[in-house]
Parts: sequence; structure tokens; C-alpha cells
Amino acid sequence: EAQVTQNPRYLITVTGKKLTVTCSQNMNHEYMSWYRQDPGLGLRQIYYSMNVEVTDKGDVPEGYKVSRKEKRNFPLILESPSPNQTSLYFCASSLKVTQKLQFFGPGTRLTVL
Amino acid sequence: GQQLNQSPQSMFIQEGEDVSMNCTSSSIFNTWLWYKQDPGEGPVLLIALYKAGELTSNGRLTAQFGITRKDSFLNISASIPSDVGIYFCAGHGGYQKVTFGIGTKLQVIP
Repeated sequence: EAQVTQNPRYLITVTGKKLTVTCSQNMNHEYMSWYRQDPGLGLRQIYYSMNVEVTDKGDVPEGYKVSRKEKRNFPLILESPSPNQTSLYFCASSLKVTQKLQFFGPGTRLTVL
Repeated sequence: GQQLNQSPQSMFIQEGEDVSMNCTSSSIFNTWLWYKQDPGEGPVLLIALYKAGELTSNGRLTAQFGITRKDSFLNISASIPSDVGIYFCAGHGGYQKVTFGIGTKLQVIP
């Protein structure tokens, strides 16, 4: 089954404790992206990747890192999480860089205390 | 950066009624997308629009890419209870970033 998977789905952590949210797609998609969703602000793009070893900042990249060592995986790293990073996070992918039809993962709800 | 204004932010409608929502942008987009998000799920693509003036339907849903390339609307005809959810517009300009509206929360009263 074609899908985008994220782990964990729920995470509660404390300020400053490094964490990684994994994202994996099995559709051989080139383009992958991370978003955060907050009430009243909709979805905001954090980082995106056009292919392996090619990543770029979205609209709200501060406090986040990403890597794209393999085509299927695009982990989101929070080196020192803070409470303002409490949010619902979505990973998405699309077949080509030029194709905007993104498939979204199920989301990761992160709480930073 | 680019900004999208999506309205209305929420709607309560009676089952069977038609619904209309729209998005306007501060700048030109090359692609408009409409997504629906059910509670606890990720957004799912409903309709994609690729050129100005384009009118596209998907069942009871119809969306249009505005002539100015700065706006788009989504209509839902004869609403049913499963139409409940949050509808997002999204626009893509000349770079690889995609900008989303804040969403329209739709509630259908049976």
C-alpha cells in the first residue's frame, strides 16, 4: 500500500531533550516536506527536499533540522526543543519536484513541556 | 513571504445546502490546490488547478483558478454529513514552497 508513515504519532518531551520524528514513503517520491499545524495558523512549511542530499528552508525553519540521505526517508530533528514547538507535525511527499500533488502522513502530535 | 487569506474560517450549514469558500493571495500562484482534513488525519488532496480560468470538478466539488491567478474558490453542492472537516487551499508560486491557507472548518447539521 502506497503511503507516508511517521513515527512516533504522539510524543511528550521536556525542553532541551533532542528528538527525531521519522518520515518514510514507499512511493519512490522525489519531493518531501515537513509542515507544522497550529490553531488559527493553518499549515506552515518547515523544510523541504527536492531529492537526496538536497534540502531547503520553508517558512518556519528555526529550531529544526532535516536530512535526506536516502530517497525514502526525511527525518525531522529538534536539537533542543522548546515549548513553542508544541504542535501537530505532518510529513508529505510528491512524485516529482514539479508535481504539487502531495500525499500527507498521519501526523505527529508533539508536546514540549 | 506569500500570504493566503481563506474565508470563511468556519461554517455551519444544513445538510443539502451548497457551500462556497475562497482563497485570495497577495501574489500570483501557478498552481492552486484544495485539501480536506478529517479529524486526526492528514490532509487529502481534493482538486488541483494548473492554469488561470480552469474550472475542475470532483463529484460534488467544483473549484476554479481565478483569472488574476491570485484567487481560487471551492464549491460543494448538496452537502452531506461526511463533508464535515477542515478545507485548506494551497498555492504554489515560482519556487518549491507551498503556502497553505488557515483553513475553513465546515460543520453540517443533519
